[in-house]
Amino acid sequence: EVQLVESGGGLVQPGGSLRLSCAASGFTFSSYWMHWVRQAPGKGLVWVSGINSDGRRTTYADSVKGRFTVSRDNAKNTLYLQMNSLRADDTAVYYCTRGGYSYDCWGQGTLVTVSS
Amino acid sequence: QSALTQPRSVSGSPGQSVTISCTGTSSDVGGYNYVSWYQQHPGKAPKLMIYDVSQRPSGVPDRFSGSKSGNTASLTISGLQAEDEADYYCYSYAGSFIWVFGGGTKLTVL
Repeated sequence: EVQLVESGGGLVQPGGSLRLSCAASGFTFSSYWMHWVRQAPGKGLVWVSGINSDGRRTTYADSVKGRFTVSRDNAKNTLYLQMNSLRADDTAVYYCTRGGYSYDCWGQGTLVTVSS
Repeated sequence: QSALTQPRSVSGSPGQSVTISCTGTSSDVGGYNYVSWYQQHPGKAPKLMIYDVSQRPSGVPDRFSGSKSGNTASLTISGLQAEDEADYYCYSYAGSFIWVFGGGTKLTVL
């Protein structure tokens, strides 16, 4: 069964850092682009970041560029999102997803709350 | 990286058809055949319903169909059923390895 499981969310103060992880199973992780998508409470989906299959190409939404870093460890079948200089408007459920131009598999999401 | 434009809400009665529009620009929707649509029920992760403008993943009912004309993509749901009530999001590649979602549309089945 294809599965993505996010972890690492929680409560963090403004200006703080957090690292999210996404453990993949049931498919050849190293063959796929992977992405992070977030959803603020009661709001819509927003694409955050993507990384190609070998990790050499990374891309970011303007709102997180310079603060977030996406990476992957294909040996561990794990996707990461390092989030620094967190702001209140980064509060959201963060989903990891599989795919290139569309996403056929989503994790259950992990909630990040930025608040003092 | 502006969000694609979707109506905030649409509604229809069981058995009817509804269409949700998604308007972008020539730099995203109009420039690539990489539009996808996602269904999201409250508290759940999104589900892929349409990819590459009009392709349906296995397991998605053929009541769901997608199309595109110029800078506007559309999702049509025919034979509405109660379980179709959900939020729907369009999504497009915008070039240079950037992607953008629509703002989302709440579908109410009357």
